[in-house]
Amino acid sequence: GQQVMQIPQYQHVQEGEDFTTYCNSSTTLSNIQWYKQRPGGHPVFLIQLVKSGEVKKQKRLTFQFGEAKKNSSLHITATQTTDVGTYFCAGPENSGGSNYKLTFGKGTLLTVNP
Amino acid sequence: DADVTQTPRNRITKTGKRIMLECSQTKGHDRMYWYRQDPGLGLRLIYYSFDVKDINKGEISDGYSVSRQAQAKFSLSLESAIPNQTALYFCATRAPVYNEQFFGPGTRLTVL
Repeated sequence: GQQVMQIPQYQHVQEGEDFTTYCNSSTTLSNIQWYKQRPGGHPVFLIQLVKSGEVKKQKRLTFQFGEAKKNSSLHITATQTTDVGTYFCAGPENSGGSNYKLTFGKGTLLTVNP
Repeated sequence: DADVTQTPRNRITKTGKRIMLECSQTKGHDRMYWYRQDPGLGLRLIYYSFDVKDINKGEISDGYSVSRQAQAKFSLSLESAIPNQTALYFCATRAPVYNEQFFGPGTRLTVL
């Protein structure tokens, strides 16, 4: 079945440093989604990328979707303590083009030292 | 009020007991999901439902069952709980157009 791999599993940074997490799928994706889960919280949708090579920004967060639509990355510029949490990527399983079932990566836990 | 709610939020039970986790949503979404989260393993799909007449198994459905009582309600049952079902359980809905999922606050289940 489809696999979505995410690296690194953990990342500890000093406040102000940049952070990047990478996501790779075993299959071509029609789209990719990113979620953030704060410690003790639930996953919250951040963004969806659809087009090959797409780049989207949300303030200090930059999301990229690879040209082959099999990989993606999330980059945070100048991390803040509010960025702490686990970041998940998720891709839909291919089933007649439906997006009804997501496969999640295992996530990257980001901790920030103030 | 939260759009997706789960009850109970925490539950401790013993091996062999039957447990039901409940999920309700006010978003009006047809698609609902149950996930299990374990440290280092991410989110794994247990069951999902497209409407009240449609129930589908996910990747780890063994030992679990579900009931979709109405569009707004989706319950997860453990018929005979075992310790390795100790985990954090999330219910989620899916928006029909943009496809993002909305998660409930989670139920932390401990099976002794």
